[in-house]
Amino acid sequence: AQSVAQPEDQVNVAEGNPLTVKCTYSVSGNPYLFWYVQYPNRGLQFLLKYITGDNLVKGSYGFEAEFNKSQTSFHLKKPSALVSDSALYFCAVRAPSGSARQLTFGSGTQLTVLP
Amino acid sequence: DGGITQSPKYLFRKEGQNVTLSCEQNLNHDAMYWYRQDPGQGLRLIYYSQIVNDFQKGDIAEGYSVSREKKESFPLTVTSAQKNPTAFYLCASSILSGTYNEQFFGPGTRLTVL
Repeated sequence: AQSVAQPEDQVNVAEGNPLTVKCTYSVSGNPYLFWYVQYPNRGLQFLLKYITGDNLVKGSYGFEAEFNKSQTSFHLKKPSALVSDSALYFCAVRAPSGSARQLTFGSGTQLTVLP
Repeated sequence: DGGITQSPKYLFRKEGQNVTLSCEQNLNHDAMYWYRQDPGQGLRLIYYSQIVNDFQKGDIAEGYSVSREKKESFPLTVTSAQKNPTAFYLCASSILSGTYNEQFFGPGTRLTVL
C-alpha cells in the first residue's frame, strides 16, 4: 500500500523568508509525486510533479520541490514567501503501475505567510 | 478550476434525502474521479471512472452512487445510507494514458445535512 505523510499541520513563515513544506512517501517502485494547493472553499490547483530525471522540479508561482529517493521525501520549497502563498498544500503519490485510481493524498499542511 | 464545473456550490440536505452533485468537464479527459474532503483528513476517493458506462469503487464508496453515461459528465448521488455526508466534495478528471498525468479539479460542492 502507498502512503503520504505531511508531518506538519501548520507552517508559519514571514513574508520574504524561504519556506519549506515537508512530505514523505511510501510506495512500491519509483514514485510519481505531486504537489497541489487549495485556497479556501476552492478546488485543488496543480503546482508541480516529479516523474523522473532531475531531482529538483520547478513549478507554478515560483515553487519548486526536491525529490530525495534515499529519504523518500519530496519537500516543497520557495525562496521568498508571499502573503498570497497562504493556503492549504497537499502532497500526493502514485505508483508507476496499476489502475488510474492510485493517487494517495497527504492530510495537508496549512501555510500561513505573515506580513 | 478551468474546464471542470461542479454544481451547486452549496447544498443542504435533510436527513433521509438523496441528493445529486453535478460534475461536467470539457477537457476531453477519459478519467473522472470523486473525492470527499474532511478537515484534517486530506482527500479520500469515493468513485472513479476510466471510460463511459464503467466505474469503480474507491476507498469510501458506501452510501454513494455514480453514473457515467457521457464522457463529459460524472454525477455523484449521496444516498440516505451515507451516515455522515456533511463534507466538501471534489470532482477531478485526467488524461488516462500514463499514470503520471496530473488530475484537474473542479471548484467543489459543500454539502451540509440539516
